[in-house]
Amino acid sequence: ETGVTQSPTHLIKTRGQQVTLRCSSQSGHNTVSWYQQALGQGPQFIFQYYREEENGRGNFPPRFSGLQFPNYSSELNVNALELDDSALYLCASSPGLETSTDTQYFGPGTRLTVL
Amino acid sequence: RKEVEQDPGPFNVPEGATVAFNCTYSNSASQSFFWYRQDCRKEPKLLMSVYSSGNEDGRFTAQLNRASQYISLLIRDSKLSDSATYLCVVNIRGYSTLTFGKGTMLLVSP
Repeated sequence: ETGVTQSPTHLIKTRGQQVTLRCSSQSGHNTVSWYQQALGQGPQFIFQYYREEENGRGNFPPRFSGLQFPNYSSELNVNALELDDSALYLCASSPGLETSTDTQYFGPGTRLTVL
Repeated sequence: RKEVEQDPGPFNVPEGATVAFNCTYSNSASQSFFWYRQDCRKEPKLLMSVYSSGNEDGRFTAQLNRASQYISLLIRDSKLSDSATYLCVVNIRGYSTLTFGKGTMLLVSP
C-alpha cells in the first residue's frame, strides 16, 4: 500500500452542488498533487501544493480549489458542479518537488458522479 | 496535438505472448519518463522509470529515444495478471507534475 488515503471512496452529487474531497498523504511528504481522470482518459493535473502553498495549476477553472494542512492532509473543493466533473479524483503525495527522482504515490481515488 | 500519445488499444494477446507499447511525447523539455500500470477502477502505480540507456525489470523492458521523442515498453511472456491499462507518463523540466497519456489497455487471455 502507498500510505495515501482518500475519502470518500464514492460520491454522488447533483449539478450546481459543491463537493469537498479529502486526501491524507504519507507522513513527511510535503507535496500533494491532485488529478482528475475521466472515464477512458489518463489523469489530468489539477493543481499541486507544497508546504501549504499552491505550487502549480493545470487547465482547470477557479471553481476547483484546494487546501493543504500541516498534518499532511489536503482537500479538493469543487463549486457549481457540472456533469463533466464526473470522474475519478486522485491525489498523489511525494517528499518534495523533484519529480524526476521523487516517486508520486497515488491514493485509491474518489469516484464522483454528478447527476 | 496531445502532449503524450499512446497506441489506442486495447491489445488482446494470449498468455506467453510478447507485447510492445509505444508512446510519443511532444514537449522537448520533457526530462523524466515513466510507465505506470492501472488496474480497473484502481489508482495508477509506478511500473518503472525509463532511462536513455534502456532498462529492464524481469519481463519488462523500457526504452527511450530522445531524438525521436519516443518511449516503449516491452512485456515478454505475458501473464494473465499483466492485464491492465499501461500509462505513459512524462515530467517536463521546470514542472514538478506528471503528464499522462491516455493509456493502452492490455487483455491477456488463457
